[in-house]
Amino acid sequence: GQNIDQPTEMTATEGAIVQINCTYQTSGFNGLFWYQQHAGEAPTFLSYNVLDGLEEKGRFSSFLSRSKGYSYLLLKELQMKDSASYLCAVWDSNYQLIWGAGTKLIIKP
Amino acid sequence: GAVVSQHPSWVICKSGTSVKIECRSLDFQATTMFWYRQFPKQSLMLMATSNEGSKATYEQGVEKDKFLINHASLTLSTLTVTSAHPEDSSFYICSAKVDRAGSQPQHFGDGTRLSIL
Repeated sequence: GQNIDQPTEMTATEGAIVQINCTYQTSGFNGLFWYQQHAGEAPTFLSYNVLDGLEEKGRFSSFLSRSKGYSYLLLKELQMKDSASYLCAVWDSNYQLIWGAGTKLIIKP
Repeated sequence: GAVVSQHPSWVICKSGTSVKIECRSLDFQATTMFWYRQFPKQSLMLMATSNEGSKATYEQGVEKDKFLINHASLTLSTLTVTSAHPEDSSFYICSAKVDRAGSQPQHFGDGTRLSIL
């Protein structure tokens, strides 16, 4: 079966750095995505990785290791507005998007 | 670019009512649209994949006679929840597939919060 694992909930302090991990086991791989979802809102796109390595985009970075089936989303200089759920999703061999259950990130002052 | 408009954003109605939700791609043509449902504190659950001009493909456990999907044009897909009951209350989100390589697989609408009394 296809499976994506990420922690259910994480807590971090404003101004700090947090890393949200995602491991996946899918039938094929055509890319991994991170989405941010605030409560009561639709997801918004954060990043896309298809090759190994780190992609940096402002305060957010995403890393991928295809051999390990592993990715992380790194958030720096945390702000209160970063409190949200972060969803990891993988495109499988048929370009079906497989979703993780999401990680709820709680930012404390 | 690639804006998806979903309407209405909030619906409150009585049990037994049918509710139609529209999903439009405003500045691109979407041959494939997706309908998701999300219950509180849970992740997105794909309900069905809607392809223009053909029948929708429903995920296992989703009643096709209850959740009617029509994708009559390249810019519009509709989801009709027929004879809605309180257990159908949820957050429904549509997304449209952008047919070009890279970046984003899907662009999301803003979602529709459905409350059945």
